[in-house]
Amino acid sequence: DGGITQSPKYLFRKEGQNVTLSCEQNLNHDAMYWYRQDPGQGLRLIYYSQIVNDFQKGDIAEGYSVSREKKESFPLTVTSAQKNPTAFYLCASSQHLRGFSPISQYFGPGTRLTVL
Amino acid sequence: QKEVEQNSGPLSVPEGAIASLNCTYSDRGSQSFFWYRQYSGKSPELIMFIYSNGDKEDGRFTAQLNKASQYVSLLIRDSQPSDSATYLCAVNRNNRLAFGKGNQVVVIP
Repeated sequence: DGGITQSPKYLFRKEGQNVTLSCEQNLNHDAMYWYRQDPGQGLRLIYYSQIVNDFQKGDIAEGYSVSREKKESFPLTVTSAQKNPTAFYLCASSQHLRGFSPISQYFGPGTRLTVL
Repeated sequence: QKEVEQNSGPLSVPEGAIASLNCTYSDRGSQSFFWYRQYSGKSPELIMFIYSNGDKEDGRFTAQLNKASQYVSLLIRDSQPSDSATYLCAVNRNNRLAFGKGNQVVVIP
């Protein structure tokens, strides 16, 4: 059964702690993305990766870090430097062909992070 | 000017009516456009994409693209209560997607 999985579904963090959100896909997609969504807001891009061992900052990368050691995995770490981390975090993936615009992105179920 | 704008407030439509959603974008070079549906507390799911000027129909959904005027719209025909959700417009920008804030649709039985 192909898809994107994110874990955990809910995560609670104390101030000053780093936490890592998991994202795995078995769609054989090249590109993976992390977004943040706040209530009543659209999606804002945190980081994205088009190939293994390479990633780029999105619009709101400060206070976050990522790695892309395997094609199917793109974990996101929310560091203590992120001032307001409480949000809904969404991972997505898509095919990415060099020289072409990426095709549709598909989303995982999301992780809801709350800072206590 | 925001990259992708969805300015309408919540849209209430009676069951069976047509819901019409609009989205404007600022980058004239954008090539591909997407509509996602997001139920409360859930992740977005892709419902349509469009690349060419004109209309694209898929079941009860029709996407309309006008590149000259830089807008894309979504029509939902024969609206059902299950269509009650937030609809997000997304535009391809430098190999990434830029999203609008979304439009909430409420279908009244």
